[in-house]
Amino acid sequence: QKEVEQNSGPLSVPEGAIASLNCTYSDRGSQSFFWYRQYSGKSPELIMFIYSNGDKEDGRFTAQLNKASQYVSLLIRDSQPSDSATYLCAGRGWGGSQGNLIFGKGTKLSVKP
Amino acid sequence: EPEVTQTPSHQVTQMGQEVILRCVPISNHLYFYWYRQILGQKVEFLVSFYNNEISEKSEIFDDQFSVERPDGSNFTLKIRSTKLEDSAMYFCASSEDSGGANEQFFGPGTRLTVL
Repeated sequence: QKEVEQNSGPLSVPEGAIASLNCTYSDRGSQSFFWYRQYSGKSPELIMFIYSNGDKEDGRFTAQLNKASQYVSLLIRDSQPSDSATYLCAGRGWGGSQGNLIFGKGTKLSVKP
Repeated sequence: EPEVTQTPSHQVTQMGQEVILRCVPISNHLYFYWYRQILGQKVEFLVSFYNNEISEKSEIFDDQFSVERPDGSNFTLKIRSTKLEDSAMYFCASSEDSGGANEQFFGPGTRLTVL
């Protein structure tokens, strides 16, 4: 059974701080990982993906992947109130019939002004 | 910017009725997906579709569910006899390719309420 686990939060940080969101996964066959942001009542919106060990930066966001520990994280620097949302971690196989995403329950982030 | 569209945005139905949820994927995408999210729970994969056939399905996608691409643009999810527990947001997604780092673009969702 492929599982993606996230701390459901809520995680509360002050405006301007770094928010750290974490995710673990059970399937070593998962090759790539995606962070989605979901506002209440809306669809998931991709923030970034990562498939190589190490860090990947995109603006205020940094994704980190450690395949040995089966651990993925997302750092949000200079957090803004507009970042308040639920952050979904998803894992995926590579190619062929493994295209579907396995989602975690999501971590609710609240950025206080 | 191209986007996935879904209709209707909200569907209310009586238990036992059939519903059809409609999606228009991004035009040059080849892989299509349905996911659902019960209120307060995780997004769950239902089915993926490629080259006019199902490529993968989850345990949730039982005989009550079916998918179809009736023409060159629409992708539909049919639930034959709805149950109370089918109440959820249903998201359609599409991607250019099936795996690796290919992004799945999600539609805005259809909220299905079964009474």
